[in-house]
Amino acid sequence: AQSVSQHNHHVILSEAASLELGCNYSYGGTVNLFWYVQYPGQHLQLLLKYFSGDPLVKGIKGFEAEFIKSKFSFNLRKPSVQWSDTAEYFCAVNGGSQGNLIFGKGTKLSVKP
Amino acid sequence: GAGVSQSPSNKVTEKGKDVELRCDPISGHTALYWYRQSLGQGLEFLIYFQGNSAPDKSGLPSDRFSAERTGGSVSTLTIQRTQQEDSAVYLCASSPHSYEQYFGPGTRLTVT
Repeated sequence: AQSVSQHNHHVILSEAASLELGCNYSYGGTVNLFWYVQYPGQHLQLLLKYFSGDPLVKGIKGFEAEFIKSKFSFNLRKPSVQWSDTAEYFCAVNGGSQGNLIFGKGTKLSVKP
Repeated sequence: GAGVSQSPSNKVTEKGKDVELRCDPISGHTALYWYRQSLGQGLEFLIYFQGNSAPDKSGLPSDRFSAERTGGSVSTLTIQRTQQEDSAVYLCASSPHSYEQYFGPGTRLTVT
């Protein structure tokens, strides 16, 4: 069965610090990979996605993620975080003929002003 | 354009009662999904509708849970004889295909 692991439960950073959130998945076939963000009191929003092609994908608000197939990883990065990036971040995967997403447990990011 | 909408936004019910949760997907989206989000379990898949195909019910936790999608659009998730462990936020998502999904605001269900 597919699974997604997010290694950090809660990350606390100061503004302007660099961010990297880890995500590893288990699935042997072709996968589609996603990062979603949930700002406080808001619903889940798509941050970025990888289907195929360039393994470095850029999303909204300066976020990017790199798909490393050999490591089954899809880590999220941002060079310089802002207070407004405070949110919970979810990595998700679907693969093969499966339509639904498998989510990681989420990483809560707190950015101190 | 309009996003995915869900109603009610909050629902408090007594243990043993039935509840119905509604989802209006983005117009034209053929795929519709139900998930639930709870503190202990994270985001769990419940059921998936794709066009006119039979739904994928593999995520439903018990036979007290069921869902319908009428006319390929609006969907209703029904929970019969609610239990306290059913308390969660129930999320609906829709997709123009089976890849990226767009989520609604959720229905927060509290079973007392």
